Amino acid sequence: GEDVEQSLFLSVREGDSSVINCTYTDSSSTYLYWYKQEPGAGLQLLTYIFSNMDMKQDQRLTVLLNKKDKHLSLRIADTQTGDSAIYFCADSGAGSYQLTFGKGTKLSVIP
Amino acid sequence: EAGVAQSPRYKIIEKRQSVAFWCNPISGHATLYWYQQILGQGPKLLIQFQNNGVVDDSQLPKDRFSAERLKGVDSTLKIQPAKLEDSAVYLCASIRGATGGDTQYFGPGTRLTVL
Repeated sequence: GEDVEQSLFLSVREGDSSVINCTYTDSSSTYLYWYKQEPGAGLQLLTYIFSNMDMKQDQRLTVLLNKKDKHLSLRIADTQTGDSAIYFCADSGAGSYQLTFGKGTKLSVIP
Repeated sequence: EAGVAQSPRYKIIEKRQSVAFWCNPISGHATLYWYQQILGQGPKLLIQFQNNGVVDDSQLPKDRFSAERLKGVDSTLKIQPAKLEDSAVYLCASIRGATGGDTQYFGPGTRLTVL
């Protein structure tokens, strides 16, 4: 079945950029997503990218998609302590729009 | 616009007991999902509804889990009897239609502990 892989931990200093990486296996994925989960909370959609795009920028967030390598990344510029959370990569598959999630990357921001 | 509502927020039961979770999606959202999130993992889809019909329940352990969405609005997820490995957060999500560009909105989840 489909699989989504992420590194589990990332630690950065406040003000630096964070880059969270993700690989996926489903070549038919139409949309790829980044969600943020803070402790005790549900999932908040940060951004998504359509599979025919290779980059999307939204304020401090930049998503890069390499469809050939099935690699997705999320860059957070000027990382703040409020960005500390778990970030999930997810793909939608082809047509069903059921999300397959990675295990999440825990981002820790050091003041 | 109110978000996805779930209740209860927390539940502690003993193994072999029964439990039910409730979800109220965003008004007008036709598609509803239930996910199971075990500690340290990403959410895993259990079941998808479109209005009051089941689209996909292939990952629902049907010997103990059941779900319904009567009238195409609220939904309940039931576990009977519960096992230790069912300890997880159960998340409900909804989207307006079933198009990938739609945002899938998540509720806060119900944290289940089975002792």
